[in-house]
Amino acid sequence: SQTIHQWPATLVQPVGSPLSLECTVEGTSNPNLYWYRQAAGRGLQLLFYSVGIGQISSEVPQNLSASRPQDRQFILSSKKLLLSDSGFYLCAWATLNEQYFGPGTRLTVT
Amino acid sequence: SQQGEEDPQALSIQEGENATMNCSYKTSINNLQWYRQNSGRGLVHLILIRSNEREKHSGRLRVTLDTSKKSSSLLITASRAADTASYFCATGNSGGSNYKLTFGKGTLLTVNP
Repeated sequence: SQTIHQWPATLVQPVGSPLSLECTVEGTSNPNLYWYRQAAGRGLQLLFYSVGIGQISSEVPQNLSASRPQDRQFILSSKKLLLSDSGFYLCAWATLNEQYFGPGTRLTVT
Repeated sequence: SQQGEEDPQALSIQEGENATMNCSYKTSINNLQWYRQNSGRGLVHLILIRSNEREKHSGRLRVTLDTSKKSSSLLITASRAADTASYFCATGNSGGSNYKLTFGKGTLLTVNP
């Protein structure tokens, strides 16, 4: 069966520090991968998606970036965090129609 | 831009009652999906209804879709305290390798024991 992992589960970082969140998927090959951000009490905002290694599409201009160095690995990064980057970050992989979400990373920028 | 909009934003009911949540969207879709999120957790897929379907059932869940009104409803029958969660609708606009979903802001359902 397929499993999706995210780490870390929680993170507190100062403004201006770098960020690296990792997502890995097991049990499937060549999945579509997604990064979402969810602000408190809000819906999901699609940040990036990838249909293959090295292929990244950005949905919202911001100071975040994403990379897909391996088929089942998706990384979300920032060189300098802003206060507004705080939120709940979710990684997901997709079959043709449905998406399957990881447990999320709670990021607090102080 | 946000495609799906759930209504109401919050709903509080007693255990055993039915819960109905609505979703409206703006553009044409291939399918509409409902997801559930427990507090502080990832989303879990509940049910998918295709644009050529009008109603679908899964256990205590019943989903309807009215493409003429661009709206959907999720009915949870005989609710339980464990159903307490946020519920999101998501619309799918294209298939294949570039598939993306657009999520609404969600309905927070509280089921009181």
